[in-house]
Amino acid sequence: EAGVTQSPTHLIKTRGQQATLRCSPISGHTSVYWYQQALGLGLQFLLWYDEGEERNRGNFPPRFSGRQFPNYSSELNVNALELEDSALYLCASSVPAGVTEAFFGQGTRLTVV
Amino acid sequence: GDSVTQMEGPVTLSEEAFLTINCTYTATGYPSLFWYVQYPGEGLQLLLKATKADDKGSNKGFEATYRKETTSFHLEKGSVQVSDSAVYFCALSDTNNQGGKLIFGQGTELSVKP
Repeated sequence: EAGVTQSPTHLIKTRGQQATLRCSPISGHTSVYWYQQALGLGLQFLLWYDEGEERNRGNFPPRFSGRQFPNYSSELNVNALELEDSALYLCASSVPAGVTEAFFGQGTRLTVV
Repeated sequence: GDSVTQMEGPVTLSEEAFLTINCTYTATGYPSLFWYVQYPGEGLQLLLKATKADDKGSNKGFEATYRKETTSFHLEKGSVQVSDSAVYFCALSDTNNQGGKLIFGQGTELSVKP
């Protein structure tokens, strides 16, 4: 069975541009989580989607947004990119809310130049 | 809010040494506790978990016991290998929200020398 898959693996953007990151959860998982792993800052919770709805978001500005599609895959959009947005973005999925084990993808390395 | 504190790294050990990575937590409810491992250039992999007090999680020779009285979940391994070199993250499930949002510690880098 396929795990959580993320694309692209690497992404290089210029400051001010927009980035779109994609995540496909494990089959049967309806919850998708996004985390940012910036150098020296550990893993910071970004967004949680379940059944197509945004359930919670972390302490990030509105230019970080996303959505979840009917097939439960998800997109993370980052607008007006800043140099500090350079990080590894990790997606995780889990079975419906209330179950606590999440499985992570390999991540998308976003570099803003 | 809930939080996790891990011992700072990097931790450097010789092969076959005993490993302890300390993790303590603060939570208003009754979280589940996890250890994740991140190998160089990769995402996170679940190493072990414990869902209630006194539970012991174990996997690949690693163990951790959920200690409610000391709010701790220390990771141990009796004999480390070079292949264990990675970053280890302690995490808890957020007790203030429904679902599986995780709160992570800062991570502890482990380097095992031959």
